[in-house]
Amino acid sequence: NAGVTQTPKFQVLKTGQSMTLQCAQDMNHNSMYWYRQDPGMGLRLIYYSASEGTTDKGEVPNGYNVSRLNKREFSLRLESAAPSQTSVYFCASLTLPRGTNTGELFFGEGSRLTVL
Amino acid sequence: AQTVTQSQPEMSVQEAETVTLSCTYDTSESDYYLFWYKQPPSRQMILVIRQEAYKQQNATENRFSVNFQKAAKSFSLKISDSQLGDAAMYFCAYRSPNSGGSNYKLTFGKGTLLTVNP
Repeated sequence: NAGVTQTPKFQVLKTGQSMTLQCAQDMNHNSMYWYRQDPGMGLRLIYYSASEGTTDKGEVPNGYNVSRLNKREFSLRLESAAPSQTSVYFCASLTLPRGTNTGELFFGEGSRLTVL
Repeated sequence: AQTVTQSQPEMSVQEAETVTLSCTYDTSESDYYLFWYKQPPSRQMILVIRQEAYKQQNATENRFSVNFQKAAKSFSLKISDSQLGDAAMYFCAYRSPNSGGSNYKLTFGKGTLLTVNP
């Protein structure tokens, strides 16, 4: 009963280093999302993927890239990490019952990233 | 762009009592969806309750209910018979009707940290 799985859960980077956050869901959902959460802020959308093979920018995409590797996996890459990217990152996938316009996001447990 | 405001950064309640968390939003749309999410110390976001704006009736889920005031653009969450396990960060969220289907996107408030005192 995994749902949405994110790795790693914790990571410390130095400025300029690169890394990839991995996300996988086992619920056969089409749409997947990456959010970041900062102290005193809500969640802000970085990128999303409506379906396999497509990705779109969200509210705060600068400094990030994404890859929708297949239906299950959606990764977030920081090419050159900056201290401003210190945050908790959440991956989510969307269940959308056929014929409806409502749905529910299922979230992973988050990945805490610190950039020194 | 829509904005969601939670004016209470922190709230506390005694176990078994009732607490109300406030949320207001700004939109020019007439139809939309509103949500309350709970984030316990484990960090995982959990959907608590949702409300469709076209529905007059306030949503309820067991001890959780909302007071949806469309004209005032207010969407408060009431937790009755508070339990220790209710302690968490609570986020209010808005979804535009134009972000349905594969374009589904939520706008979140900054959150309210709820403490439950034994």
